[in-house]
Amino acid sequence: DSGVTQTPKHLITATGQRVTLRCSPRSGDLSVYWYQQSLDQGLQFLIQYYNGEERAKGNILERFSAQQFPDLHSELNLSSLELGDSALYFCASSGKGSLPETQYFGPGTRLLVL
Amino acid sequence: GNSVTQMEGPVTLSEEAFLTINCTYTATGYPSLFWYVQYPGEGLQLLLKATKADDKGSNKGFEATYRKETTSFHLEKGSVQVSDSAVYFCALSLDRTNDMRFGAGTRLTVKP
Repeated sequence: DSGVTQTPKHLITATGQRVTLRCSPRSGDLSVYWYQQSLDQGLQFLIQYYNGEERAKGNILERFSAQQFPDLHSELNLSSLELGDSALYFCASSGKGSLPETQYFGPGTRLLVL
Repeated sequence: GNSVTQMEGPVTLSEEAFLTINCTYTATGYPSLFWYVQYPGEGLQLLLKATKADDKGSNKGFEATYRKETTSFHLEKGSVQVSDSAVYFCALSLDRTNDMRFGAGTRLTVKP
């Protein structure tokens, strides 16, 4: 158990809809990262937050957004969903020590867009 | 750009066989290098890491050495077990942001 929790585990929705994925980092970790894992694209970094502020951006679509709240949990919002958004979405967290830091991954949310 | 290339799978081995999964990287600066493992239905777990040239990471019988001259971080294990069946990801991280780049993953199946 990594200490990172993600909800929900599974999500089934329709095209055009909007969903919110939630992540709680390990206790004390200030950084949260979001990744998308799909069969054709592999594991893609989406976005990173550090202590509530956006720190790095990867291959995140404009239809997607994220935020990190004062209690350090994070949410990833996916809107105007398309079939191709079906994937596993992972959250990871890391601490506030000196870089580089190990990222600890949650179990993922499996999203299916029908 | 910064990226990782790892050998394509799938890889199928018999129990007790020797394993090598190749990983090479391209990076500006001096990245840290990682191997993560993903067991079926689970998230990624750190297997081992190395933060500077010539460092050797090791865990659970797996080893990888950070080779700056060949920009490589190949994963090896002398004798694989059925329980090692999983997908293995090579990754690099740049110090400034801890932004991690993953390889495509290599699926390993070990048969009894």
